[in-house]
Amino acid sequence: SAVISQKPSRDICQRGTSLTIQCQVDSQVTMMFWYRQQPGQSLTLIATANQGSEATYESGFVIDKFPISRPNLTFSTLTVSNMSPEDSSIYLCSVETAPYTFGSGTRLTVV
Amino acid sequence: RKEVEQDPGPFNVPEGATVAFNCTYSNSASQSFFWYRQDCRKEPKLLMSVYSSGNEDGRFTAQLNRASQYISLLIRDSKLSDSATYLCVVGGESYIPTFGRGTSLIVHP
Repeated sequence: SAVISQKPSRDICQRGTSLTIQCQVDSQVTMMFWYRQQPGQSLTLIATANQGSEATYESGFVIDKFPISRPNLTFSTLTVSNMSPEDSSIYLCSVETAPYTFGSGTRLTVV
Repeated sequence: RKEVEQDPGPFNVPEGATVAFNCTYSNSASQSFFWYRQDCRKEPKLLMSVYSSGNEDGRFTAQLNRASQYISLLIRDSKLSDSATYLCVVGGESYIPTFGRGTSLIVHP
């Protein structure tokens, strides 16, 4: 299984600012996934990041709010833009190869 | 109807008890099935894959019923360390997995 390094592990941010989360995979993968997990809820897919093309966003998520970069087959970033307290959540990245492994998560608190 | 449904619990059981969780899925074309464990404030980690013939790993047994579209997880001789949230995960043709909401298990002394 792929090993994924994710950072930062946690952050407390002021509303209106932006935070960029990074995920590095130890092998080349075609697709990377970005999820959000709100307290007491399951994982919700934000978008699929493909190298060489724009990310594919799920319903309810837009590029202006969650811009994604995928410069190569081992790396991706997710930015949470213009944050509000409602963005407080855990953000996780994963890869398309089953069984699915995850980065260790970024615990974001917006104050 | 949600694609993957689980009883959120919590299931509160004493040490040594046997507990079972079920998960139903709506997409009959689903091809892969997993149980993940998620500890508080941690990322989900694979507990076990679920095979058509059923499979066992120590105290854990997973089963798949394609006709009724559900999978189950049985935990025997519960330990305090089994306390966690158990996520049902279903993989389809699109490579994008679908997660259940999770079932919370609390094992008490």
